[in-house]
Amino acid sequence: GEDVEQSLFLSVREGDSSVINCTYTDSSSTYLYWYKQEPGAGLQLLTYIFSNMDMKQDQRLTVLLNKKDKHLSLRIADTQTGDSAIYFCAERNFNNNDMRFGAGTRLTVKP
Amino acid sequence: ETGVTQTPRHLVMGMTNKKSLKCEQHLGHNAMYWYKQSAKKPLELMFVYNFKEQTENNSVPSRFSPECPNSSHLFLHLHTLQPEDSALYLCASRRTGTLMAQYFGPGTRLLVL
Repeated sequence: GEDVEQSLFLSVREGDSSVINCTYTDSSSTYLYWYKQEPGAGLQLLTYIFSNMDMKQDQRLTVLLNKKDKHLSLRIADTQTGDSAIYFCAERNFNNNDMRFGAGTRLTVKP
Repeated sequence: ETGVTQTPRHLVMGMTNKKSLKCEQHLGHNAMYWYKQSAKKPLELMFVYNFKEQTENNSVPSRFSPECPNSSHLFLHLHTLQPEDSALYLCASRRTGTLMAQYFGPGTRLLVL
């Protein structure tokens, strides 16, 4: 089946930029999403991007999409300790009601 | 996102018990989902309901029984569970036919003894 893959761990220092990467295999993916999950909580939608876009910026968050390589990244500028969480990449195509999720990247921010 | 609520937030049950998880969404969505999240495993989609009709059952054991009486409420009835069923159970909802993503509840942390 189609897959969404992410590295499992990322550790950065407070104030640095974090880049979380994701690759997917479904070439018909239309929408791509980033979710954040804090301890003991559900998944919170952070941002999304359509496949006809290359980049989307929202305050400290920048999403880059390389559709040719099926690569999605989330950059968090000036990373804070409150950004420590698990970040999930997800994708969906227009004809599919379901979303496919990656396994999540655990971001640890050290003071 | 406070539009999707789940109760209880924590549940401990024995293998012979029967319990139910409840999910309610206040977002006017028409599709609802149950996911299982286990440690060190990807999110597992369990059930999907569109307009109260079950459209997907991802080979979930019959000891899990979903119920969707209306588009705003979703239940997961549990009976004779196994310890490996211990996990975080997440409910999500979405408005189909739009670009909208799924919105998740806070989850129910289930421990089966």
